[in-house]
Formats: sequence, structure tokens, C-alpha cells
Amino acid sequence: QQQVKQSPQSLIVQKGGISIINCAYENTAFDYFPWYQQFPGKGPALLIAIRPDVSEKKEGRFTISFNKSAKQFSLHIMDSQPGDSATYFCAASIWSGNQFYFGTGTSLTVIP
Amino acid sequence: NAGVTQTPKFRVLKTGQSMTLLCAQDMNHEYMYWYRQDPGMGLRLIHYSVGEGTTAKGEVPDGYNVSRLKKQNFLLGLESAAPSQTSVYFCASRPPGRGLQPQHFGDGTRLSIL
Repeated sequence: QQQVKQSPQSLIVQKGGISIINCAYENTAFDYFPWYQQFPGKGPALLIAIRPDVSEKKEGRFTISFNKSAKQFSLHIMDSQPGDSATYFCAASIWSGNQFYFGTGTSLTVIP
Repeated sequence: NAGVTQTPKFRVLKTGQSMTLLCAQDMNHEYMYWYRQDPGMGLRLIHYSVGEGTTAKGEVPDGYNVSRLKKQNFLLGLESAAPSQTSVYFCASRPPGRGLQPQHFGDGTRLSIL
């Protein structure tokens, strides 16, 4: 059973556009939500993360929006660039725990 | 400054063969993880370790064994490989402490079982 559901599976965006990837979870014990970026042939790398005590976190062009009541969170990439083309994974864990549960990934293509 | 190094990068096995995947980290991290990545499935945790000499099962542990004899190394073993174990395997490590401590991933081992 997938602990974290991610959509869409793939996304094509024009350069300069906004990319939006959504994730949902069921386990209310989750309280740490990181996003990872993965380029072909490489391992995932942490992009940005949020805890549920805030509804939004922004780092440069990347923003996480968090809706605790709906148990949903999303990644927004503003002014998307071809260099952002990669696979993005959302994840969830318990702050005091050791395991991370990943979404199924979104393949983002930004076309010039 | 190597970070997390996985050996080998590619391997082809026949059904029933055994092999060991090696993960080495030079960051003095306490926690180490083994994941498998399959199309449409994301990353699924196989086993993990919170310190030298300790291991625990993740979501999909069947068919795999692990050992953490040294803090810097985490070994993943397949005793009798099956085609269902064809996947890309990622190792990750994490600093001690809780919370906002990112996992550092290696570049993966691509394993095909014929």
C-alpha cells in the first residue's frame, strides 16, 4: 500500500512556466515532508523540506505548499527552466522516526 | 570528498546466483538505508541501519539480507537472485539526530536478473 500518493506521473512545461506536483498521505503521524530531485543516472538529492507547523516554505524558485487538514502537499517550481528537467519525489516521515516513505515520482520536462 | 559510493554500478546475474552490493560512506553518518527503485513504484525501503551492528527491515525486505559490521559500510545481499529483483538499488546515509537531516544518496547499482 502506497503511503504517499504522487501525481502527475509526468509533466511537460514550457520554459518560464509554473510546474506543480501534488502529493497526498493518510498517516497523520507524518510530520516531515521532503522533496527530492533526481537527474538521470544519479541518486536523489534533497531539494526542499517542510514541517506541518507552516503552510508554505519557499527557497528560490521552489515552494512547498502544505494543507494539513487535507493531508496534501505540493511542490511549485516558478519560472521553470530546462535545467529543472528531472524526476521529483515527495516523501514523508515521522520526525522522531527513521523511515522515509516516497511517492512514485514525477518526470518533469521543461521545453525551451 | 566521495560521499556515498556504491559498488558495483552495473551487474547482470542469472536466476539463483548470489551477490553482495556494497555501500560505503565517508561522512561518519549513523544511519544507512537500502532502497530499490522501480518504474511507477518510486523508492521503496528494503532494510536500514541506525548504527554499527544494527539492522532493521523496511517495506520490502523479503529476499534480501544486510550487514553493518563497520560504521562506514552497509552491505546488501541477494542469496538466490530472482527476476523480480531486477531493479536499481540506491544506498543512502543520514547524519545522527532527528528531523531535518537529509539523506545523502549514492548513484545507484543497476541490477538485472535473467
